[in-house]
Amino acid sequence: KAGVTQTPRYLIKTRGQQVTLSCSPISGHRSVSWYQQTPGQGLQFLFEYFSETQRNKGNFPGRFSGRQFSNSRSEMNVSTLELGDSALYLCASSLEPGSAGANVLTFGAGSRLTVL
Amino acid sequence: TQLLEQSPQFLSIQEGENLTVYCNSSSVFSSLQWYRQEPGEGPVLLVTVVTGGEVKKLKRLTFQFGDARKDSSLHITAAQPGDTGLYLCAGRYGNKLVFGAGTILRVKS
Repeated sequence: KAGVTQTPRYLIKTRGQQVTLSCSPISGHRSVSWYQQTPGQGLQFLFEYFSETQRNKGNFPGRFSGRQFSNSRSEMNVSTLELGDSALYLCASSLEPGSAGANVLTFGAGSRLTVL
Repeated sequence: TQLLEQSPQFLSIQEGENLTVYCNSSSVFSSLQWYRQEPGEGPVLLVTVVTGGEVKKLKRLTFQFGDARKDSSLHITAAQPGDTGLYLCAGRYGNKLVFGAGTILRVKS
């Protein structure tokens, strides 16, 4: 079956702009998590969605937001971009929370954002 | 400050050598996972350990979970160029999966 698909793979924005990233989970996976990966900080948890509801949120400012649709696809949005937002944004899908497969994350290849 | 500290940060070795990567914390985790990430790709889950003292083997890779469930190690025997990548440990902390900063491994032929 198809893996986790993230679009776009690469994008360049300027400070102050906003960006929307998309994630399509593996078929049957209803939980989606987002992470920001930078060389200095590693993977930092952004948020997790299940059944169109945000279940958990990391320590990121309100400029970072997300949502999940009824088909489990998820989007994240970053508004008023800053230089420090340059990173690889990774999406991971898994089975529903509490299930045996809830801890098995399957990651997409990521969306690499460069803010100039 | 990282909840999970990984060491070393970078490792460059020759093909055929052995190596160990460490993942340490002052917190207790219900489970620990190891992932490998190659350039241009997302992390791929290698193993999950859940019991203190547990040892799991995956071909030339040996994973160990500390007795107190605060630390883990990954040992690679006879490393090959295909083992090159970023190795990440991750632990379930509350409702979140937290990651270490990773160990970059380069195996030269």
